[in-house]
Amino acid sequence: AQTVTQSQPEMSVQEAETVTLSCTYDTSESDYYLFWYKQPPSRQMILVIRQEAYKQQNATENRFSVNFQKAAKSFSLKISDSQLGDAAMYFCALLEYGNKLVFGAGTILRVKS
Amino acid sequence: DSGVTQTPKHLITATGQRVTLRCSPRSGDLSVYWYQQSLDQGLQFLIQYYNGEERAKGNILERFSAQQFPDLHSELNLSSLELGDSALYFCASSVARVSYNEQFFGPGTRLTVL
Repeated sequence: AQTVTQSQPEMSVQEAETVTLSCTYDTSESDYYLFWYKQPPSRQMILVIRQEAYKQQNATENRFSVNFQKAAKSFSLKISDSQLGDAAMYFCALLEYGNKLVFGAGTILRVKS
Repeated sequence: DSGVTQTPKHLITATGQRVTLRCSPRSGDLSVYWYQQSLDQGLQFLIQYYNGEERAKGNILERFSAQQFPDLHSELNLSSLELGDSALYFCASSVARVSYNEQFFGPGTRLTVL
């Protein structure tokens, strides 16, 4: 069965600094998608970034980028120039061909001013 | 705003009761997914419907059921409620039945069972 592991329950970063959130996963499929979702205090699930497993190039979205290591089954999220609005719970998620998203346990990110 | 709507936003009820959560997908999306977020279980996939038909089941209890109507809105029915059913229930939608399409999440319904 597919699993997603986020080993950092909580992380802190100083405003304007860079932080990296870790995620590892397990799947027997060769083709799949990976996502990072942000859940602020409003509880809305907001897609931050996505990565297609067949693409070697790491995805980037403005201040957000990923380090996708397919062989190691690792998918970390880097947030540059951290802002107060980045404070939230971040979930790593795996989507295999088909249906369900499998989520990690989440990492709470705190941003200090 | 994802375009997915869920009602009600909050629901407080007693053990043993039955409730219905409603979801309207984004315009044009045929797939609806239900997820449960609780403190002890995290975010879990419950069930998926595509164009009115059940397509996939996850960790959904037998006391829970869902359906998708011809206008594509979906309802999640929770019966014989227990304290442990207290959670945030998300609905998500996507275009296709089976694909890698992004799922768009609604704002969730917070269920409190007293």
